Amino acid sequence: DTGVSQDPRHKITKRGQNVTFRCDPISEHNRLYWYRQTLGQGPEFLTYFQNEAQLEKSRLLSDRFSAERPKGSFSTLEIQRTEQGDSAMYLCASSEDSINTEAFFGQGTRLTVV
Amino acid sequence: AQSVAQPEDQVNVAEGNPLTVKCTYSVSGNPYLFWYVQYPNRGLQFLLKYITGDNLVKGSYGFEAEFNKSQTSFHLKKPSALVSDSALYFCAVRASQGGNNRKLIWGLGTSLAVNP
Repeated sequence: DTGVSQDPRHKITKRGQNVTFRCDPISEHNRLYWYRQTLGQGPEFLTYFQNEAQLEKSRLLSDRFSAERPKGSFSTLEIQRTEQGDSAMYLCASSEDSINTEAFFGQGTRLTVV
Repeated sequence: AQSVAQPEDQVNVAEGNPLTVKCTYSVSGNPYLFWYVQYPNRGLQFLLKYITGDNLVKGSYGFEAEFNKSQTSFHLKKPSALVSDSALYFCAVRASQGGNNRKLIWGLGTSLAVNP
C-alpha cells in the first residue's frame, strides 16, 4: 500500500447522469476526507469519515451528493443528476486519527459534465 | 473565524535564486500549519508541517518554512530554486482546539514559476 488511490482518474458524463467515484485510503488510516477543487482554487471540504462514521458534511454538499464508507476502508462518492457546475477535480485524502498529522491525498478524479 | 491568506497569486523566480511563498493565518488558539504542493493534474503532496517546537521546520525537496507567531505567518522558503519546483503551493491551517473538527482551512494557492 503506497498511498491513496482514486478511481477513475477521469470521468466525462452527460448532464443528468449519475456518477460514482471510489477512494482507497492508506490502510492504517482511520480518517478519510473528500474535497472538491476547481481551477485556480484551493480544495473545498466536502465531507469526512472516521472509520465508517460520516462525522461532518459541508453545506456545499447538496442532496445530490452522497458519500459512504461502509466497512471503514474504501469510500465512494456519488453524484446524482449531474450538472455542469459539478465539473471539478474530486480529491480524496486520508490521515491517522490525530489532529496534528498530515493528510495524504490521492491523484484525484477529474469530472467533466457535458 | 479561521482563515488562511496567500497574498500572492503568482511568484516568479530565477533558477538558483532563493524563493519565498507567503502565508498568513487566523485561528483560535495554537495553529497546526501545513504546506502542500500540487503539480498539474495531480493530487496534493505534503511538504512540511509545524506543530510545536522549533519555528523553522524542514520538509521535502529542500523546502523549509518559518513559523512566526507574532506575525501569524508561515512562509515557505527554499535557498535555491529549481525549474522542477514550478507548481501550485497551498498553505493550510487547523486549530489545535475545537474538539472533533479535523478540517483543514486552505489558502487559494500560489503559482510558483521558476525560470531557467
